[in-house]
Amino acid sequence: ETGVTQTPRHLVMGMTNKKSLKCEQHLGHNAMYWYKQSAKKPLELMFVYSLEERVENNSVPSRFSPECPNSSHLFLHLHTLQPEDSALYLCASSQDVGQGNYGYTFGSGTRLTVV
Amino acid sequence: TQLLEQSPQFLSIQEGENLTVYCNSSSVFSSLQWYRQEPGEGPVLLVTVVTGGEVKKLKRLTFQFGDARKDSSLHITAAQPGDTGLYLCAGADVMISSGSARQLTFGSGTQLTVLP
Repeated sequence: ETGVTQTPRHLVMGMTNKKSLKCEQHLGHNAMYWYKQSAKKPLELMFVYSLEERVENNSVPSRFSPECPNSSHLFLHLHTLQPEDSALYLCASSQDVGQGNYGYTFGSGTRLTVV
Repeated sequence: TQLLEQSPQFLSIQEGENLTVYCNSSSVFSSLQWYRQEPGEGPVLLVTVVTGGEVKKLKRLTFQFGDARKDSSLHITAAQPGDTGLYLCAGADVMISSGSARQLTFGSGTQLTVLP
């Protein structure tokens, strides 16, 4: 149990589907993140939330839509994805975004396959 | 976005051997973290180094932050099969949009396999 729980663990969706990824943390952290991990590429930061406010959006296509209803929950809504969006999507949390010296706690990820 | 290069990309060694993996950048980071990721799981934090020249030890793992805070190394002594995994370094730098909040930039990792 890492303290950050992601569901589902695996997801296969068609290009016309709409689905959502869920992330939940019970660590009392104030910052939450979505990362994309593709084969042979570094982790790519997608979105950052601090105290439920979006701090950063790294030029992510609009087919990915984040939602942070409170400091414990983070969602990633998906629609009309492309096959190249297939990847491991990781959620992480940290104490805050202020210093970067705090470790990130990652969930186990959602393995997404777009067909 | 600042880049972190890790080397080697792949490393396969026998149990009991020593190894060193490297994380290099042309940019300065306020701190640097090392993570280990196992198949089907998210990365797990091993250590954070903050001060230039800092050395931290975690059992058989020794982490060093370069004097100029641009590079780092991870040395494993007497490797064991349980050390197998993807080792990621990540540097903290400032988010452009906020000016104060810091994000982690990850390297592409070193895949270590320790054979029994």
